Amino acid sequence: GAVVSQHPSRVICKSGTSVKIECRSLDFQATTMFWYRQFPKQSLMLMATSNEGSKATYEQGVEKDKFLINHASLTLSTLTVTSAHPEDSSFYICSAPMDRSAFSYNEQFFGPGTRLTVL
Amino acid sequence: AQSVTQLGSHVSVSEGALVLLRCNYSSSVPPYLFWYVQYPNQGLQLLLKYTTGATLVKGINGFEAEFKKSETSFHLTKPSAHMSDAAEYFCAVSPSLFGNEKLTFGTGTRLTIIP
Repeated sequence: GAVVSQHPSRVICKSGTSVKIECRSLDFQATTMFWYRQFPKQSLMLMATSNEGSKATYEQGVEKDKFLINHASLTLSTLTVTSAHPEDSSFYICSAPMDRSAFSYNEQFFGPGTRLTVL
Repeated sequence: AQSVTQLGSHVSVSEGALVLLRCNYSSSVPPYLFWYVQYPNQGLQLLLKYTTGATLVKGINGFEAEFKKSETSFHLTKPSAHMSDAAEYFCAVSPSLFGNEKLTFGTGTRLTIIP
């Protein structure tokens, strides 16, 4: 089956630093990737849609300058949390639909998640 | 717009008993519906999905769900619970328009299995 990886799986950083999280589709191409945030014991909230070769689309209320997204290739999207603060601590999950069709359902595959802790 | 309501944030069943996790959806277009399972500190694994065709869909690990348009429901069931079923379960909906549509998730149901 299709595999999506995330790196790192866990990161602890000091307040004010920036953290980059990578999301890779290992055996398929993904022109679109989704970034979610999950607080403890809560659901996944979509943060943004990452589009290869163009700007990301952010959900309402998500700060574009805070959460920088770059979709550099057909297999890699990165989320950079800039000037991280304790309230940014969360579980970040990416997903990637396998590109097959623009007009029918493309199954999404989820990464294992990255747990960010900001001290 | 799409939304999902999962009734019951916590469900406990005895090992061997029926598992029923409820999901109701709202969608302005014909929906695609999904159930995902999440184990602690892990990503999401697809249990089953409804896109088109048969309304009773079977998934992995003995789970199944039935799409009922008249009730706008997509409840997840398993005839006999196993200890390994203990996890968080999410219902999700996507519009059936284009290939790479975003998912809207419910708030999740934590399933506990009583030995």
